[in-house]
Amino acid sequence: ETGVTQSPTHLIKTRGQQVTLRCSSQSGHNTVSWYQQALGQGPQFIFQYYREEENGRGNFPPRFSGLQFPNYSSELNVNALELDDSALYLCASSYPGLAGGETQYFGPGTRLLVL
Amino acid sequence: LAKTTQPISMDSYEGQEVNITCSHNNIATNDYITWYQQFPSQGPRFIIQGYKTKVTNEVASLFIPADRKSSTLSLPRVSLSDTAVYYCLVGDIRVFNTNAGKSTFGDGTTLTVKP
Repeated sequence: ETGVTQSPTHLIKTRGQQVTLRCSSQSGHNTVSWYQQALGQGPQFIFQYYREEENGRGNFPPRFSGLQFPNYSSELNVNALELDDSALYLCASSYPGLAGGETQYFGPGTRLLVL
Repeated sequence: LAKTTQPISMDSYEGQEVNITCSHNNIATNDYITWYQQFPSQGPRFIIQGYKTKVTNEVASLFIPADRKSSTLSLPRVSLSDTAVYYCLVGDIRVFNTNAGKSTFGDGTTLTVKP
């Protein structure tokens, strides 16, 4: 167990709708990253939040947005859903350090299906 | 951003040592190399991380040559439960890096362990 939880586990939406996915990080981990994983592919970085501010973003359009809260929880919001948004959405928490690498702890993911 | 290349699949038998190599020719100076294991419908699980030379923990070893353009994950004496997808991740997720979070997962190597 990584201590990272996500909700819901599965979700079905229709094209054009909006969705909010939630993540609860490990206590003390003030950095959270979100990834999209299409079937048969590796996770693709969406963005990272540190101390409630966006700290880095991958190649995703603005309709993908996020929020991070002081209680180590976070949200991924996707507007105007498209069929290609169907994927497993993963959040990963970590604690930043000045030296050395960092380990990301992944949640189990939310499986989103857009019809 | 460092692009990673791994073999698509590998087969092995119980009790054998398995070596999975990842190529990352344009790895940056601050990038770390991290390997994850992923089972179906679960989030990736951290295996090992390194920057250079060799790192060993209780489950695996990671070999990184001096030029750091590749890395090899070594799993000693695999069992059936090691059947999974293995990803190498190259990047620097530290928030103090301006490219924080823009780590790159490859498409992974599907390892199948046979009895």
